Amino acid sequence: QSALTQPRSVSGSPGQSVTISCTGTISDVGGYNYVSWFQQHPGKAPKLMISDVSRRPSGVPNRFSGSKSGNTASLTISGLQAEDEADYYCCSYAGTYTFEVFGTGTKVTVL
Amino acid sequence: EVQLVQSGAEVKKPGESLRISCTGSGYNFTTDWIAWVRQLPGKGLEWMGMIYPGDSDTRYSPSFQGQVTLSADKSISTAYLQWSSLKASDTAIYYCARHLAVVTFDFWGQGTPVTVSS
Repeated sequence: QSALTQPRSVSGSPGQSVTISCTGTISDVGGYNYVSWFQQHPGKAPKLMISDVSRRPSGVPNRFSGSKSGNTASLTISGLQAEDEADYYCCSYAGTYTFEVFGTGTKVTVL
Repeated sequence: EVQLVQSGAEVKKPGESLRISCTGSGYNFTTDWIAWVRQLPGKGLEWMGMIYPGDSDTRYSPSFQGQVTLSADKSISTAYLQWSSLKASDTAIYYCARHLAVVTFDFWGQGTPVTVSS
């Protein structure tokens, strides 16, 4: 099972919006509504930002939103802030053999 | 407050065995899966597998099946990740996380760095 494909990096100025894609197949992203997104700052443990494609856990700012279309899930950060600069990973359910798989990761840079 | 506290950094030689731990508190440790995630130096996250501490049921990623062993001792709310013979390529940070639901890892340990070098 290969990792889900994410762009290596995206960037934006403060206040702008950025969208990170997470592309898989019908066997993972496209087959289930089980996609989560994690934020990881350097030297820190990952943090859950989105679950079940678009559910935002308590305490996560509402500028973070998730969606899915076909085999591609997306995380959008609206109103980009300096503290959003981090690595972001998607994760999808992939069936009863592979179970769960992460994306390749995207570095978000705030210009 | 839910917390997962992992054991400290390890430095080992190739061929040695190792067991690292993840101790949970602030919730019922026996009723949620614990997942393990590897992060190679400067690389992304990899899902290794998970264990249900209530009955020690396990699920392994095909990439890690046979390479590591997951176990748990529910009496002390602790999950373990172990290797019988380490390789240099096992050098990484290993995280445990509470697996609240499918791909929903809501609380994470601080990570355990493992260095394997001769």
